[in-house]
Amino acid sequence: GAVVSQHPSWVICKSGTSVKIECRSLDFQATTMFWYRQFPKQSLMLMATSNEGSKATYEQGVEKDKFLINHASLTLSTLTVTSAHPEDSSFYICSAYTYEQYFGPGTRLTVT
Amino acid sequence: AQRVTQPEKLLSVFKGAPVELKCNYSYSGSPELFWYVQYSRQRLQLLLRHISRESIKGFTADLNKGETSFHLKKPFAQEEDSAMYYCALSDGASSYKLIFGSGTRLLVRP
Repeated sequence: GAVVSQHPSWVICKSGTSVKIECRSLDFQATTMFWYRQFPKQSLMLMATSNEGSKATYEQGVEKDKFLINHASLTLSTLTVTSAHPEDSSFYICSAYTYEQYFGPGTRLTVT
Repeated sequence: AQRVTQPEKLLSVFKGAPVELKCNYSYSGSPELFWYVQYSRQRLQLLLRHISRESIKGFTADLNKGETSFHLKKPFAQEEDSAMYYCALSDGASSYKLIFGSGTRLLVRP
């Protein structure tokens, strides 16, 4: 049980375009989901906390207008990287909370 | 400020040797401490949490509030233990967000 999926698993986009990443809890409901960013050979950095039915809470230094988070249902949170630039290239990981955090497999974003 | 420190980027041991992955934290309240593991090409998964006081896959970790440490130990390493290990803390009471350490890669040689 407690499986979290992410879609897509990898995406390449051109600079200036927007990309949406989906995070789904497949067999449980999650009022709280989290989005992390992981640079190569580095740790996970928490970007924001996504709460169903309310605005996301962003960590210090994370641009909320650039990384739009929508938690529209108890099983789905989306992260949209707006006007992507090469420096946004990274591995984005989501997690869903129910008694503990369950992590998705991650989405690799490459901005060319 | 909340912070988790894992001083070793890489720990290499031979099969059957004891393992200790170090983790120190700084936090003003009473945090919950966790160890997560990421095997090659797999997602991050919870290994153990201090409040459960369990032994998972032979690993144990004791919270030492005096030394603000939560070191992960295993008496006899196995090759399948090779993975990336992350120590993390959560304030537990008001939010469930996790602050991760930089991670330690454990390599168990045959």
